Amino acid sequence: GQSLEQPSEVTAVEGAIVQINCTYQTSGFYGLSWYQQHDGGAPTFLSYNALDGLEETGRFSSFLSRSDSYGYLLLQELQMKDSASYFCAVRGQGGKLIFGQGTELSVKP
Amino acid sequence: DAGVIQSPRHEVTEMGQEVTLRCKPISGHDYLFWYRQTMMRGLELLIYFNNNVPIDDSGMPEDRFSAKMPNASFSTLKIQPSEPRDSAVYFCASSGTSGGREQFFGPGTRLTVL
Repeated sequence: GQSLEQPSEVTAVEGAIVQINCTYQTSGFYGLSWYQQHDGGAPTFLSYNALDGLEETGRFSSFLSRSDSYGYLLLQELQMKDSASYFCAVRGQGGKLIFGQGTELSVKP
Repeated sequence: DAGVIQSPRHEVTEMGQEVTLRCKPISGHDYLFWYRQTMMRGLELLIYFNNNVPIDDSGMPEDRFSAKMPNASFSTLKIQPSEPRDSAVYFCASSGTSGGREQFFGPGTRLTVL
């Protein structure tokens, strides 16, 4: 089977840095994606790691260690608008995505 | 580009009725995915198509659910008969030839079955 684990909730203050971890157990791993979803909205793509290492996109970075079946999303210079749910998702064969349960991030002033 | 288009945005129906959800993917995208999101089960992949052909429908809950993609610009997800436990937000997503690297989600259809 396939499973992903990520914390259910994280709270941080504006301007801070927060890391959301994701561990996975899966067969046929092709990469790890991260999506953001605001209340009532659609998930939107943030980043994708196929190989080990760090990918940086502006204030967001994502890391993958395939040997540890582990990845994380790093959000820097937090802003109030970053309050949302963040999902890691394993990409399997054919582009199939299996999503984690999501981490609800609350950014406080 | 208008993005992925879904209709209706909201649907309220009574148990036993047929429900049809519609999706128009982004032009040129080869992959189309249907997801269901609930508080209890999170975001689940129901079925996906590549070049209009269903590739994996292992996530379809039961025979009451069916999905079609008659052409590259249109897909439907049908529930017949509907049940209260089908209440959820249903998302359609599409992606290009890279498959699941980046999927573009539609706004979703919020389905309530009474």
